[in-house]
Amino acid sequence: EDQVTQSPEALRLQEGESSSLNCSYTVSGLRGLFWYRQDPGKGPEFLFTLYSAGEEKEKERLKATLTKKESFLHITAPKPEDSATYLCAVHRGNNRKLIWGLGTSLAVNP
Amino acid sequence: DTGVSQDPRHKITKRGQNVTFRCDPISEHNRLYWYRQTLGQGPEFLTYFQNEAQLEKSRLLSDRFSAERPKGSFSTLEIQRTEQGDSAMYLCASSPSSGLADEQYFGPGTRLTVT
Repeated sequence: EDQVTQSPEALRLQEGESSSLNCSYTVSGLRGLFWYRQDPGKGPEFLFTLYSAGEEKEKERLKATLTKKESFLHITAPKPEDSATYLCAVHRGNNRKLIWGLGTSLAVNP
Repeated sequence: DTGVSQDPRHKITKRGQNVTFRCDPISEHNRLYWYRQTLGQGPEFLTYFQNEAQLEKSRLLSDRFSAERPKGSFSTLEIQRTEQGDSAMYLCASSPSSGLADEQYFGPGTRLTVT
C-alpha cells in the first residue's frame, strides 16, 4: 500500500541547532516528492519538488534531498521564524491525488 | 498578489445548514483541487478539476458534498445538511498543466465550525 511516513512527529530545537526531518515513502512510480511548510491556521506553503534520487534543492536555511526510499529536509542554523509544521507529499503515476504524511511540528526556541 | 484566494476565511454554521465556499486559483493554472484538513493531519483529498471537468472525487466524500468549476476558473464547494464532523479547514490548491509532477499551490483555507 502506498504510504508516506514522517519523523519525528515533533521536534524542538534551540536557535542555531541544525537538524533534519525525515520523510520515508513506499509508492510505485514516483513522479515527484514535495515539501511544504504550514503555519497554524494557514494553507501549506510550497517549498520544494524533488523528482529523482540524488537530487538536492536549497532555499535559505533549508535543504531537501531525495533517495529511492526517503527524503530529508535539513535545517541549518534555524531561527524562531522557522517554527512551523513541515509536510511531505508524493505524487505517483498518473494519479493526481497526492499522498501526504502527517507532518513534523518544528519549534525553534530563541 | 496572484496567489490562490478563498472566501470566506471563517464560517460558523449550525448543524443542518448548507454552506458554500469559493476558491479563485492562480489565473494561468488549469488544475484545481479541494482538500479537507483536521488538526494534526495532512490534507485529505476531496476532488480535482482540470479546467471545468471534475476528473476525480474521493470515495470518502458523501453525497452531501458537491463541487463545481463552471467556467474553468473559480470553483465552489457546497456542503449540504452540515454535521459536526464536517468541522475542519477546507483548502483549495491549483497547479499548472505543465511540469513533471503536480506542484500544488494552496490558498489560505476556509475554517468551518459546525455547532
